[in-house]
Amino acid sequence: DTGVSQDPRHKITKRGQNVTFRCDPISEHNRLYWYRQTLGQGPEFLTYFQNEAQLEKSRLLSDRFSAERPKGSFSTLEIQRTEQGDSAMYLCASSLARGGPGTDTQYFGPGTRLTVL
Amino acid sequence: AQRVTQPEKLLSVFKGAPVELKCNYSYSGSPELFWYVQYSRQRLQLLLRHISRESIKGFTADLNKGETSFHLKKPFAQEEDSAMYYCALRGYNNNDMRFGAGTRLTVKP
Repeated sequence: DTGVSQDPRHKITKRGQNVTFRCDPISEHNRLYWYRQTLGQGPEFLTYFQNEAQLEKSRLLSDRFSAERPKGSFSTLEIQRTEQGDSAMYLCASSLARGGPGTDTQYFGPGTRLTVL
Repeated sequence: AQRVTQPEKLLSVFKGAPVELKCNYSYSGSPELFWYVQYSRQRLQLLLRHISRESIKGFTADLNKGETSFHLKKPFAQEEDSAMYYCALRGYNNNDMRFGAGTRLTVKP
């Protein structure tokens, strides 16, 4: 499967614990996005990378959240001191941006479902 | 501010009937509009975007800047169209994609 992959697919943790999710984008895609989706809502943008540079962060991304893409390939999203409100589906998407509007299509991964008890 | 509104959470039609999923947006600049679809147990995928002006799986959507709408239409719904549909907006030259809350379409036999 050459699509976007995410690991783990499910994570159950206790409040206060740290969790880390991984996203492997489609090979050679230069952009990588993180979204959060709660029940009954559409995905909410969290952050995105162009290669290894984190270029945009949403207000939703509190100090407890950090994302990295160290070599411009895979990315990790870490949540420290998890809260019950962090329970959601965390989606990763990647795209190949060649420039100009409408040139990049975001391909989504299957998501990581986080449950904070 | 960018905002996408999908007024219907649920929509049910019979096979062969026309279907229209509504999407309204607010954005002060030139938006890019998209429709994404999520079939049962599958990942979110792009259905179509306004800039391509294409028809995918019989679906079309026209950007109406006057009414700030981007409704998704299909003249004859099929059972395999049953899915969750999300309208999304991206501002020109930014990468903050805003999604609506989604409409669950059920096509009954």
